[in-house]
Amino acid sequence: GEDVEQSLFLSVREGDSSVINCTYTDSSSTYLYWYKQEPGAGLQLLTYIFSNMDMKQDQRLTVLLNKKDKHLSLRIADTQTGDSAIYFCAEKKGGGATNKLIFGTGTLLAVQP
Amino acid sequence: DAGITQSPRHKVTETGTPVTLRCHQTENHRYMYWYRQDPGHGLRLIHYSYGVKDTDKGEVSDGYSVSRSKTEDFLLTLESATSSQTSVYFCAISESRTAQHGYTFGSGTRLTVV
Repeated sequence: GEDVEQSLFLSVREGDSSVINCTYTDSSSTYLYWYKQEPGAGLQLLTYIFSNMDMKQDQRLTVLLNKKDKHLSLRIADTQTGDSAIYFCAEKKGGGATNKLIFGTGTLLAVQP
Repeated sequence: DAGITQSPRHKVTETGTPVTLRCHQTENHRYMYWYRQDPGHGLRLIHYSYGVKDTDKGEVSDGYSVSRSKTEDFLLTLESATSSQTSVYFCAISESRTAQHGYTFGSGTRLTVV
């Protein structure tokens, strides 16, 4: 995951908004993703955004994409204790049969009651 | 997790022994992937498959081999396990070449090499 960078840790209070940031490297990536990992579990797809969009909203989640700066962010509104998890961004690289997702290092979100 | 299972869930093995991890899917998806997860590194791609008998290397493939003799199974083998291969291993599947909706992940295998 060295190509995709994230801050390692974020702490917020319950009810506040959380913003998790990600910087990716491949300007030709067509899809970018956010995954959530709860303790002891696999990764669960939260949302994705196509590269021709600059924003996508899905209930409490807002994804912002700045292609010029290769910057992706995930905003969680009204953060709950159940949102505590590791969040990974990922970019799709390659084409044809060899497409693959490259993941960031993950951001641990801790929600304080 | 949506028709994808990994076995075993936990394994402790000795340095120098061969180890095989299994990923089994019931979704009939063409694409399968093996990742390892380590603190500070996120998930790194080991090998992937884009069809039966069609596999390719990822970014951290040294010391690993894979086989896919049928659509539903993707095996990851550590030929001679080393302590640096202690990790959590995740399998993922995708139905689409474009991976428009991302991957579906298994629950992981925690491997400890002592």
